Amino acid sequence: DVKVTQSSRYLVKRTGEKVFLECVQDMDHENMFWYRQDPGLGLRLIYFSYDVKMKEKGDIPEGYSVSREKKERFSLILESASTNQTSMYLCASSPPGSYGYTFGSGTRLTVV
Amino acid sequence: EDKVVQSPLSLVVHEGDTVTLNCSYEVTNFRSLLWYKQEKKAPTFLFMLTSSGIEKKSGRLSSILDKKELFSILNITATQTGDSAVYLCAAERQGGSEKLVFGKGTKLTVNP
Repeated sequence: DVKVTQSSRYLVKRTGEKVFLECVQDMDHENMFWYRQDPGLGLRLIYFSYDVKMKEKGDIPEGYSVSREKKERFSLILESASTNQTSMYLCASSPPGSYGYTFGSGTRLTVV
Repeated sequence: EDKVVQSPLSLVVHEGDTVTLNCSYEVTNFRSLLWYKQEKKAPTFLFMLTSSGIEKKSGRLSSILDKKELFSILNITATQTGDSAVYLCAAERQGGSEKLVFGKGTKLTVNP
């Protein structure tokens, strides 16, 4: 069964901390995505990557960065966590030319 | 600006009812429309629609796309409590990096 695995299900961090959210897929997919999901706002794209070491900004990249050193791993970095980054973070992947994503189970991040 | 609008945002029904969820889209170079079901964690894929007027079915769920009027509907007949979830609609563009534009979702609650 194909999988997208996010390292933490729940995470609590303090304001100002540097936070790493990890995502690993075992499907050899080229495309990987980070979304955040908030009530009333739906899923919003933060960053995506279509190849190793390649990245592109999504709709809301401010306050975030990403790293894709290996094909299977896509990391989201909160350089200095703030309370407005409290959210559910979803990672997804897809092969090129795909018509849909496979999602991870999500990381619920709380910044206090 | 690309956008996907779902309605209603929430819906409460009784078991056995039939529901229709709506999704309209305005997306440049539209390629496909996807429906996902999200319970407590990762969204799971339901349908992908690329051609107008062709209904996709899976058990009690069905969906159809109207590319002229730029909308899709998801029907669920004989609803069960296990259908309670957030249903997400997403539109995909052609020729890009397979980014999906998501609607805000419809939260369906099915009461016994």
